[in-house]
Amino acid sequence: QQQVKQSPQSLIVQKGGIPIINCAYENTAFDYFPWYQQFPGKGPALLIAIRPDVSEKKEGRFTISFNKSAKQFSLHIMDSQPGDSATYFCAARLSGGGADGLTFGKGTHLIIQP
Amino acid sequence: DAGVIQSPRHEVTEMGQEVTLRCKPISGHNSLFWYRQTMMRGLELLIYFNNNVPIDDSGMPEDRFSAKMPNASFSTLKIQPSEPRDSAVYFCASSLSRGGRNTGELFFGEGSRLTVL
Repeated sequence: QQQVKQSPQSLIVQKGGIPIINCAYENTAFDYFPWYQQFPGKGPALLIAIRPDVSEKKEGRFTISFNKSAKQFSLHIMDSQPGDSATYFCAARLSGGGADGLTFGKGTHLIIQP
Repeated sequence: DAGVIQSPRHEVTEMGQEVTLRCKPISGHNSLFWYRQTMMRGLELLIYFNNNVPIDDSGMPEDRFSAKMPNASFSTLKIQPSEPRDSAVYFCASSLSRGGRNTGELFFGEGSRLTVL
């Protein structure tokens, strides 16, 4: 099963709040979990990524929490700003050989209200 | 430093017409991916190339879709004949693979928005 299930589909948060986006997977052969951020009219861009041997990774206001036993990971945005309004995708990469592409979740449309 | 370049940015065509989307990957990258984005299905991997060789085209919806990569700096995705259900944003992405594994960081172009009437 190569799906990555992402929720919620959309999210509205007040400025300064902490939006949380969740993803779940089934395939234990995934070995790398990036998050991508997409602004309207642009392509997705890598935001932050984590490997399954780490439970948390923080870069600036963005934090990934990873629960290997539950096969879940989530993105938290601290002190959210209107400029963080975008669509966020979680993704996963299969381990093993081959230049495999990423499997993406369906995305979360995030709006940060001023 | 140029990123992934896609053309055209927008294409409106009529059902049955041939559509060709073009991509120039980042220089030095050896993996290239074509994705399709729709509201219903999100980002779907259509095909990817490694060192100009198609590795997996299992995501290509049907025989109407074909992709080529004649050299390291150019790829095309062709739809012939096009249908209204092909309307979507098509993204090309490139990455660097080391030892046969991609680094996991894909660099996306700005996409080609296709509308088939």
